[in-house]
Amino acid sequence: GENVEQHPSTLSVQEGDSAVIKCTYSDSASNYFPWYKQELGKRPQLIIDIRSNVGEKKDQRIAVTLNKTAKHFSLHITETQPEDSAVYFCAASIGTPLVFGKGTRLSVIA
Amino acid sequence: EAQVTQNPRYLITVTGKKLTVTCSQNMNHEYMSWYRQDPGLGLRQIYYSMNVEVTDKGDVPEGYKVSRKEKRNFPLILESPSPNQTSLYFCASRGLGGGETQYFGPGTRLLVL
Repeated sequence: GENVEQHPSTLSVQEGDSAVIKCTYSDSASNYFPWYKQELGKRPQLIIDIRSNVGEKKDQRIAVTLNKTAKHFSLHITETQPEDSAVYFCAASIGTPLVFGKGTRLSVIA
Repeated sequence: EAQVTQNPRYLITVTGKKLTVTCSQNMNHEYMSWYRQDPGLGLRQIYYSMNVEVTDKGDVPEGYKVSRKEKRNFPLILESPSPNQTSLYFCASRGLGGGETQYFGPGTRLLVL
């Protein structure tokens, strides 16, 4: 089955700097790659997703890139702000069950 | 408003006392799932259901049961809870089709003494 590896497990950045979180997946048939943000004590919420027919997608300060050949995808957050501090999860799927990475705890230091 | 609801939100119980955590969604989603979240281990899938009367084991099904008698409801049952089932539990739902957004419930924090 699918396996998703996520790195780093923790990341600290200065406010205003960029943050990059990387994930690799094992099954080349995976075709949907969402990213979730989980603030302390709250549920995971979708922040951006990408499908396998697209190489990059942006939404204001966040972007996701996908490299199907290398089987990895990345989340990029620019101009980080304190409210970006959270745990971020990547996921991959072929069809319906999502397989999640173990998460990255991002801390933005003011 | 599209949503997934769970009850209770917090629960303290004792070893061996059967409990049920309810989950309901109002989006007519075929797919529903239960996860547990423990520090450093991410979201681990317990059980999932692709439709009414269709359920499958996830990665950590031991000690749990589920049922899917109606499309909107997917309760999680702990027949004989043990302390190692102390965790944060999330229900989720998603439409079929591969690229549809998965929505999570607000979570249930369970403590088994």
